[in-house]
Amino acid sequence: SQTIHQWPATLVQPVGSPLSLECTVEGTSNPNLYWYRQAAGRGLQLLFYSVGIGQISSEVPQNLSASRPQDRQFILSSKKLLLSDSGFYLCAWSPGRGNGYTFGSGTRLTVV
Amino acid sequence: QKEVEQDPGPLSVPEGAIVSLNCTYSNSAFQYFMWYRQYSRKGPELLMYTYSSGNKEDGRFTAQVDKSSKYISLFIRDSQPSDSATYLCAMSAEGSFGNEKLTFGTGTRLTIIP
Repeated sequence: SQTIHQWPATLVQPVGSPLSLECTVEGTSNPNLYWYRQAAGRGLQLLFYSVGIGQISSEVPQNLSASRPQDRQFILSSKKLLLSDSGFYLCAWSPGRGNGYTFGSGTRLTVV
Repeated sequence: QKEVEQDPGPLSVPEGAIVSLNCTYSNSAFQYFMWYRQYSRKGPELLMYTYSSGNKEDGRFTAQVDKSSKYISLFIRDSQPSDSATYLCAMSAEGSFGNEKLTFGTGTRLTIIP
């Protein structure tokens, strides 16, 4: 069966520090991968998606970047965090075309 | 106007009641409709999935899609305290290159009172 792993679960980082969140999927190949941010009362905001290794599409211009160095690995990064980067970050995968997403357990990031 | 509108609630109902959750949408290209359940501090989990119009039932849960009205619903029968969570609707059209981009509602927070 397919599983998705996301870590860390909680992170507190100072303003201006770098960020690296990692997501891996097991039990499937060539998944579509997604990074979302969920802010309180504002729903899910799509940040990046990837349909293959090295293929990254950005939905919202911001202080973040994403990379997909391996087929089942998706990384969210920032060189310098802002206070506004605080939120609940969710990784998700999909086999594509109407099958819905499976989400990871999320990372709660607090920038102080 | 947002592509997907969902009443954020909060919605509180007594245990055993029937719950009705709804979303409206504006994009007529949407064909796949989903409901996710999200417990506090957890990732959303897929609860119900329907394609095009019609009803789908799974235990105490029924999902309805009315494409003519651009309106989807989730009904929960015999609600339980364990149903207390945030419910998000989501939908997508045919994606390009196999990519499926879901558009989510903002979620409705539901509390079932014992």
